[in-house]
Amino acid sequence: DAKTTQPNSMESNEEEPVHLPCNHSTISGTDYIHWYRQLPSQGPEYVIHGLTSNVNNRMASLAIAEDRKSSTLILHRATLRDAAVYYCIRPTGTYKYIFGTGTRLKVLA
Amino acid sequence: ETGVTQTPRHLVMGMTNKKSLKCEQHLGHNAMYWYKQSAKKPLELMFVYNFKEQTENNSVPSRFSPECPNSSHLFLHLHTLQPEDSALYLCASSRGTSGDTNTGELFFGEGSRLTVL
Repeated sequence: DAKTTQPNSMESNEEEPVHLPCNHSTISGTDYIHWYRQLPSQGPEYVIHGLTSNVNNRMASLAIAEDRKSSTLILHRATLRDAAVYYCIRPTGTYKYIFGTGTRLKVLA
Repeated sequence: ETGVTQTPRHLVMGMTNKKSLKCEQHLGHNAMYWYKQSAKKPLELMFVYNFKEQTENNSVPSRFSPECPNSSHLFLHLHTLQPEDSALYLCASSRGTSGDTNTGELFFGEGSRLTVL
């Protein structure tokens, strides 16, 4: 079961940090956690992924709980261009990237 | 520009037509994917190919027929589709591996918007 659970929607003010949570309580020890986002009228875009340690890149940070049952995507300063649907997924098997309904992030000017 | 190109971007077809969607990646990846995204629904994984071999068929009806002639190209052949097949069809690629665990990120194309009349 590659299920992850995310809130349906969140709002943030522009230039404030955003913390997007994801629950993956059935994760196994070798499953990576991936985050993608989908802007309107576009295909999904890779954001970040990690296994155990917290990860940072130019787009975001990923904080993974010590028990790995949850993670949080952190956008340090939300902009209007960050308004999108954010997906947290756990690839399982060899190539099963299963997307859920994601979190729709609304950024308020 | 993600390095994954899909054509056509828009396609309108009748229920008796035969058409194909094409995907090409210039990333040197070995795994390629077809996803379907219907309005108000999550992305549905349809097919996965790794090193040209199909590794996943997610119970897709036979009116959708994938073809992967090499690691850079992926096709989705369409015939006798139904109006409910109207959706955005997304192609993706990833590094791929001959092992059991794939950690590579997915790179998506912009999609082919299909309308079946």
